[in-house]
Amino acid sequence: EAQVTQNPRYLITVTGKKLTVTCSQNMNHEYMSWYRQDPGLGLRQIYYSMNVEVTDKGDVPEGYKVSRKEKRNFPLILESPSPNQTSLYFCASSLRGRSTGELFFGEGSRLTVL
Amino acid sequence: RKEVEQDPGPFNVPEGATVAFNCTYSNSASQSFFWYRQDCRKEPKLLMSVYSSGNEDGRFTAQLNRASQYISLLIRDSKLSDSATYLCVVNPSNTGKLIFGQGTTLQVKP
Repeated sequence: EAQVTQNPRYLITVTGKKLTVTCSQNMNHEYMSWYRQDPGLGLRQIYYSMNVEVTDKGDVPEGYKVSRKEKRNFPLILESPSPNQTSLYFCASSLRGRSTGELFFGEGSRLTVL
Repeated sequence: RKEVEQDPGPFNVPEGATVAFNCTYSNSASQSFFWYRQDCRKEPKLLMSVYSSGNEDGRFTAQLNRASQYISLLIRDSKLSDSATYLCVVNPSNTGKLIFGQGTTLQVKP
């Protein structure tokens, strides 16, 4: 089954404790991206990757890191989480080119930073 | 001005009604456009891509108006199950930087 898998789905952590949200896709997609969704602000892009070893900033990259060492994985790293990073996070993947916007999303990771 | 704007609604319509949403975009060079559906607390799912010539999928029709810089989504014969938030997405330059609208909420009532 074609899917994007995120882990953990739910996480409560404390300020400053490094965490990683993993994302994996089994569709051999070149493009992967991370979004956060907050009430009243919609979905905002954090980082994206057009292919292995290629990553670029989205609209809200501050406080986040990513890596793309393998095609299927695109982890999101919060080196020192802060309460303003409490949010619902989605990972997504797609083919490149004109189809870049035809995204498959993971089920989301709800993060709370105390 | 936001790069992609949608009326947040909610749009409350009776079953069987026809409803239309618009989504305006500011970058006239934008290349590709999409509509997504998102149910409460769930991941967005692709509803349809929007082609220059417009496209139709069952009860759903999407149109692109480049002159006025907006895309539209028309839902005919609304069902209760159509209740959701509809997100428009714009790819300004066929790069990876996608821009989402805030979404329009539709409530279909019996």
